Amino acid sequence: DAEITQSPRHKITETGRQVTLACHQTWNHNNMFWYRQDLGHGLRLIHYSYGVHDTNKGEVSDGYSVSRSNTEDLPLTLESAASSQTSVYFCASRSGPSGRPYNEQFFGPGTRLTVL
Amino acid sequence: GESVGLHLPTLSVQEGDNSIINCAYSNSASDYFIWYKQESGKGPQFIIDIRSNMDKRQGQRVTVLLNKTVKHLSLQIAATQPGDSAVYFCAENINTGGGTSYGKLTFGQGTILTVHP
Repeated sequence: DAEITQSPRHKITETGRQVTLACHQTWNHNNMFWYRQDLGHGLRLIHYSYGVHDTNKGEVSDGYSVSRSNTEDLPLTLESAASSQTSVYFCASRSGPSGRPYNEQFFGPGTRLTVL
Repeated sequence: GESVGLHLPTLSVQEGDNSIINCAYSNSASDYFIWYKQESGKGPQFIIDIRSNMDKRQGQRVTVLLNKTVKHLSLQIAATQPGDSAVYFCAENINTGGGTSYGKLTFGQGTILTVHP
C-alpha cells in the first residue's frame, strides 16, 4: 500500500549539530510539506515543494532547509540545531493541482526531536 | 483559527451523544477547509473537507458546516464513540492566486474531544 514514512521517529541531538529528518512517500505526489507542532501553536509550515527541484519557504523557515532531488523524498535539515527547534515534525504530501487543487494532505507519523 | 494560547479548548461528551467542534477563521480569501483528527503520538488524519462554494458536506457520521458570513466552520460528529477521542484541527487554504497557494494550510490550535463511555 502507498504510504508516507518518516525517520527517525525519535532523535536527541546537541545544540549546534546538523540534523536531517527524512520523509519518503510512495504515492508519487508532487507536493510535499514539512510542519512543526508545538503546544500552543498548532502545526506551522516550515518548507514545501511542488515538485522536483522546487522548494519554498513557509511560515517558520529560519534555521531549516530542504531539497527535492526526486518525487519520493523531501529531507529536512537543521543546519545548526537550537533548543528552540525541539518539537514534533510532520511531513505531508498531496497530489498536485492538475485541475484538482482541492486535494487533502496526508501526514506521516512524525519525528520527535529534542535539542539539548 | 482558534485563538492562540497554551490551553486548548476541550469538549467532553458521553458516548452516543452528538459532538460539535467549532473553528473560526479570519481570512476571507480562504477557499478550502479541512478537518483533521490527531490521536496521541500519531500524525493528523484527514476527516472531511469542504470548498468555499459549499455550506455543508456530509461524510460517514460527520458533517462539516461552513458559514462564510461570520467566517465559521464546524464539525459535527454523530453518535460519538470512545474511539473519536482525539484532538481535532481545522485547517484553511488561503488562495493567493496563480495556483501557488495550493496545499499551504494554516491550522487552528485544535480542540480536545474526550468521549466518556
